[in-house]
Amino acid sequence: QVQLQESGPGLVKPSETLALTCTVSGYSITSGYFWAWIRQPPGKGLEWIGNIYHSGSTYYNPSLKSRVTISVDTSKNQFSLNLSSVTAADTAVYYCAKEGGRYSPPGTWGQGTLVTVSP
Amino acid sequence: QSALTQPASVSGSPGQSITISCTATSSDVGIYNLVSWYQQHPGKAPKLMIYEGSKRPSGVSNRFYGSKSGNTASLTISGLQAEDEADYYCFSYAGDRVFGGGTKLTVL
Repeated sequence: QVQLQESGPGLVKPSETLALTCTVSGYSITSGYFWAWIRQPPGKGLEWIGNIYHSGSTYYNPSLKSRVTISVDTSKNQFSLNLSSVTAADTAVYYCAKEGGRYSPPGTWGQGTLVTVSP
Repeated sequence: QSALTQPASVSGSPGQSITISCTATSSDVGIYNLVSWYQQHPGKAPKLMIYEGSKRPSGVSNRFYGSKSGNTASLTISGLQAEDEADYYCFSYAGDRVFGGGTKLTVL
């Protein structure tokens, strides 16, 4: 059974880069599927950030594309999110998730991690 | 980028049925039926309830039913139970991947 776990700093300063890692267990990233990041500001709705295929191909939300980088480390069975030039509006619970394919929704989710942007 | 519009809230009594709509500004939903629905309880990660418009993942109750008419997808929950009280989100993945704004379901 696939499990995902987010990790990273819970506090980031404005203008800096938010960096999170998702560790996948129970499945090898190199075997396929797409791996996604989704976020949810406190008390608000969900926002899809982007995804990556195990080969390294990425697809980003157009509204965040200029600040987002998603990468994969197959040796550690992890994938990562970098979000640059953060502001208070980037404060959110960040989830990582597995997508079954190019035309599949996020199916298995991590528990989420809260990242607060504050001086 | 396409957008999905959901009602902010719906409510129903135990045993009743409710329907949550999700209307797309683009024609992607109508053409490809690539819409999913998620249930989210407070403090928890979203749970996939419906995919490809009407398919249920293993383990999801058949009280949850997905359908589509034109550019509007719908989630119907029959035989409402107290544990159905949650936020529900639609998600389109035909072109741009986008969530609806969410609907809070209250079981009276």
